[in-house]
Amino acid sequence: ETGVTQSPTHLIKTRGQQVTLRCSSQSGHNTVSWYQQALGQGPQFIFQYYREEENGRGNFPPRFSGLQFPNYSSELNVNALELDDSALYLCASSLHGPAETQYFGPGTRLLVL
Amino acid sequence: EDQVTQSPEALRLQEGESSSLNCSYTVSGLRGLFWYRQDPGKGPEFLFTLYSAGEEKEKERLKATLTKKESFLHITAPKPEDSATYLCAVQRIDSGNTPLVFGKGTRLSVIA
Repeated sequence: ETGVTQSPTHLIKTRGQQVTLRCSSQSGHNTVSWYQQALGQGPQFIFQYYREEENGRGNFPPRFSGLQFPNYSSELNVNALELDDSALYLCASSLHGPAETQYFGPGTRLLVL
Repeated sequence: EDQVTQSPEALRLQEGESSSLNCSYTVSGLRGLFWYRQDPGKGPEFLFTLYSAGEEKEKERLKATLTKKESFLHITAPKPEDSATYLCAVQRIDSGNTPLVFGKGTRLSVIA
């Protein structure tokens, strides 16, 4: 059984560009949540997908969007990048629904210049 | 609004010197309190889930306890490999979306 994987591991973009981050959930897990973690802070909830539908959203603007695919993998898209979007982006998956324990991937480190 | 406060922000211990990390929380109906360990530049690694006051869980040198207002992570005779940031998170009882609300973490350094 493989754990949660994320790609790429690191990414450098310039302000105004768009970025897509990818996540493969742990085998059999049907729920994926995305978090943003700034340096020295705890992870902040962006949104969650359950069986391909958005199932809740944190306090992030609409330029943060996502998808979940039939195999339960997921994408996070960020448009019009700002300097403050520089952070570690974490994907977490859970088995059989949103109320289960969430297991995190290694994260994608995004730097916006 | 759900809130989690962790203390201290940073803790430096000598190898073998036991101590405790604190997680104070406010939540309107607790479904679970979670402890994670995070190494620099890595994703959080799941340690424990606690569901009700009085519950305790142990794993190697770590023991987590829960009351109605706070949780403690006790570290007994720590080793340098226990150095990491320890994150506490709460999950509210809800009919739908149940995101984790995290504290800022306690950065633990264990010196040989």
